[in-house]
Amino acid sequence: DTAVSQTPKYLVTQMGNDKSIKCEQNLGHDTMYWYKQDSKKFLKIMFSYNNKELIINETVPNRFSPKSPDKAHLNLHINSLELGDSAVYFCASSGTGGGFVITGELFFGEGSRLTVL
Amino acid sequence: KQEVTQIPAALSVPEGENLVLNCSFTDSAIYNLQWFRQDPGKGLTSLLLIQSSQREQTSGRLNASLDKSSGRSTLYIAASQPGDSATYLCAVKRVTSGSRLTFGEGTQLTVNP
Repeated sequence: DTAVSQTPKYLVTQMGNDKSIKCEQNLGHDTMYWYKQDSKKFLKIMFSYNNKELIINETVPNRFSPKSPDKAHLNLHINSLELGDSAVYFCASSGTGGGFVITGELFFGEGSRLTVL
Repeated sequence: KQEVTQIPAALSVPEGENLVLNCSFTDSAIYNLQWFRQDPGKGLTSLLLIQSSQREQTSGRLNASLDKSSGRSTLYIAASQPGDSATYLCAVKRVTSGSRLTFGEGTQLTVNP
């Protein structure tokens, strides 16, 4: 029944490792996002895909690489993890109101807490 | 650049009280504004979405208003309950930002029994 689901929920790893977080939505939305929530609880967008096409790429290190195999899935791969990557990563999705601008409501997953030691 | 500010940062009230959370944004050219709640260790749950053409939205004990010209939104919670304790975030989608949402830093609400 879960609308936006992401795995794993918790991830603890060593510096320098590579890890992936997966996200799937069953809402029929065509736009998906990755947000990062830092230790101060501030949420900031990282990437957005619309129908498998990258439409937002904020100033994120290129160690972060999103991949969208289809419009229901958006995965995030992180290479050479650093201490500063520790955060909660949220996947979200929304429907389009038509055209490029997404006017619909945003639905979030439960988050993936990444801890880099 | 859009900036979103939420006041107060934290609020503690006794059960049963009506309360108002505030959100202000600097760029009034918005598509919509969305209020969320976040429980500790959880994701964000959408509460209300107000399109730019709307003045308010209601859901149960929640009422959100939008005044685009002054760059303000309020979330009114009637007859607060301990279960309302959470962090409340507002987020704004600007006309020029594509699908980006800009979030405020949230108001942490505690409702005491």
